[in-house]
Amino acid sequence: DVKVTQSSRYLVKRTGEKVFLECVQDMDHENMFWYRQDPGLGLRLIYFSYDVKMKEKGDIPEGYSVSREKKERFSLILESASTNQTSMYLCASSLGGNTNYGYTFGSGTRLTVV
Amino acid sequence: AQSVTQLDSQVPVFEEAPVELRCNYSSSVSVYLFWYVQYPNQGLQLLLKYLSGSTLVKGINGFEAEFNKSQTSFHLRKPSVHISDTAEYFCAVSDRQGGSEKLVFGKGTKLTVNP
Repeated sequence: DVKVTQSSRYLVKRTGEKVFLECVQDMDHENMFWYRQDPGLGLRLIYFSYDVKMKEKGDIPEGYSVSREKKERFSLILESASTNQTSMYLCASSLGGNTNYGYTFGSGTRLTVV
Repeated sequence: AQSVTQLDSQVPVFEEAPVELRCNYSSSVSVYLFWYVQYPNQGLQLLLKYLSGSTLVKGINGFEAEFNKSQTSFHLRKPSVHISDTAEYFCAVSDRQGGSEKLVFGKGTKLTVNP
């Protein structure tokens, strides 16, 4: 079964810490995405990547950065975590070219910043 | 750019009743449309999609959706719901901008099925 795996289901970090959220897919997908999900706001796109070493800002990139050194791995980095970054983070991947196959999502990482 | 409106943030229904979750998108240009389901503390799972052809699309778990181009709608329906259908449902539309294509998601509808 093809998968998108997020390394942690639950994470608690302190304000000011540097936080890494890891996502790995085994489907040889070109495209990878990071979303955050908050009640009443739906899914908001943070960053996405269409190829290795390439990244593009989504709708809410402030306070985040990403890294894609290998095709299967897409990391989200919180340079200095703040309490307003407490959220559910979802990683997704898709085949390149167009969206007709949709996205495959990971199970999510619920991050709490204290 | 495309946008998606899910008209109801919460829908409570009784078990075995029919349900319709409404979704409208902003542009009538050629689009792909999707419904995803999210069970508590899980990621999103594809329920069904419309790419072309028949306007009535059948998905998993007995759900179906109808594409209506003139009304720019893609409403999700199930004739008889179960307790296990309690989840959040997201509608999404493809959006092509600047040579790249992404999905744009609605804010979600929480379906609660009561016994």
